[in-house]
Amino acid sequence: DVQMTQSLSYLAASPGESVSISCKASKSISNYLAWYQQKPGEAYKLLIYSGSTLQSGTPSRFSGSGSGTDFTLTIRSLEPEDFGLYYCQQYYEKPYTFGAGTKLELK
Amino acid sequence: EVQLVESGGGLVQPGRSLKLSCAASGFTFSNYYMAWVRQAPKKGLEWVATISTSGSRTYYPDSVKGRFTISRDNAKSSLYLQMNSLKSEDTATYYCARHGTNWQYYFDYWGQGVMVTVSS
Repeated sequence: DVQMTQSLSYLAASPGESVSISCKASKSISNYLAWYQQKPGEAYKLLIYSGSTLQSGTPSRFSGSGSGTDFTLTIRSLEPEDFGLYYCQQYYEKPYTFGAGTKLELK
Repeated sequence: EVQLVESGGGLVQPGRSLKLSCAASGFTFSNYYMAWVRQAPKKGLEWVATISTSGSRTYYPDSVKGRFTISRDNAKSSLYLQMNSLKSEDTATYYCARHGTNWQYYFDYWGQGVMVTVSS
């Protein structure tokens, strides 16, 4: 199985700052990588797919980069609504696997 | 607006069965692969099952293969997960999710989830 590693479990930042969340795959997954956001009481939301393609409705302050094994989700100029949990997922091969998540907290 | 609403969760004893349902609306259900994803308490996300548009092809990880069965009724825009021989490690919130278009196996819409607790 492809193991997805999000090295940071927690990340504290302030509104207006920029942050990057990393995700590493145990083997090359090309660009078959998605990013999700979860906020309390809300459904999971797809932010980015194919490594860097913004899902419709995702604000442009979000961006994704990387291919192969190393990927990054960057959020420019954090807004209050951006605080929550972020997960990466590979869909290069089954079983589809997720990272353990990075909790973005208000500093 | 795409909506996915799960139901059927609850408390069940180990070894017993439970069937989850997901009512879909806001899109042409029969055009999309669908899936179930779960999250155990304080744990990460785990893909559980995927079904093709017609229902003719299904896919599972080893952790549930042979015990869980995903199915769909396109006429009712409904997705199901039959869970047999349940184990304590199946305790989780189960999410109904829609796969992306063009055989892109990310999940572009999720339900709010339904809790399943396996305990005696």
